[in-house]
Amino acid sequence: GQQVMQIPQYQHVQEGEDFTTYCNSSTTLSNIQWYKQRPGGHPVFLIQLVKSGEVKKQKRLTFQFGEAKKNSSLHITATQTTDVGTYFCATGGGTSYGKLTFGQGTILTVHP
Amino acid sequence: DGGITQSPKYLFRKEGQNVTLSCEQNLNHDAMYWYRQDPGQGLRLIYYSQIVNDFQKGDIAEGYSVSREKKESFPLTVTSAQKNPTAFYLCASRSQLSQPQHFGDGTRLSIL
Repeated sequence: GQQVMQIPQYQHVQEGEDFTTYCNSSTTLSNIQWYKQRPGGHPVFLIQLVKSGEVKKQKRLTFQFGEAKKNSSLHITATQTTDVGTYFCATGGGTSYGKLTFGQGTILTVHP
Repeated sequence: DGGITQSPKYLFRKEGQNVTLSCEQNLNHDAMYWYRQDPGQGLRLIYYSQIVNDFQKGDIAEGYSVSREKKESFPLTVTSAQKNPTAFYLCASRSQLSQPQHFGDGTRLSIL
């Protein structure tokens, strides 16, 4: 099945700094979904990208899907303490009963 | 998220004991999923089900069993064959192939 590698595993930033996490695959992906999991919580869906080169924004968050559909990124501008948590990318869902394959996640810590 | 209820929130298992984790959803979703999450790691798929009375093994099904007798319910049994059951277990559901997964609040299972 499809696999996605996510980097970095950890990221510590000062409040106000930017943050980026990357999701990479050796194969072409049908889509990318991004989830956020707050400490002690459960993953919450953020967005889905399906088109080559697609860029979507949600306030301070910018999501990109690569031209070759083999990589994706999530960029947060001017982090806030409310951004802390683990960010996961996931792919799949279009076939195999909607089964998703998740990346390992990037744990973001924001220091005030 | 509202609509998916996992219970109990915390569970302790004795040596050689089977325990069952409950997952109920009132979202009228067809597909349901069970994931295991270990500290600092991503989500690994245990079992998934697209319709009632049908389910498929995920990537780490050994030592686990499920049933899907009702659309709303997808309980997971952690059997004594699972030698390292301590983890955070997440249940998810979704309505259509292209839709995101919605997660419950999870159950933390520990060994006594």
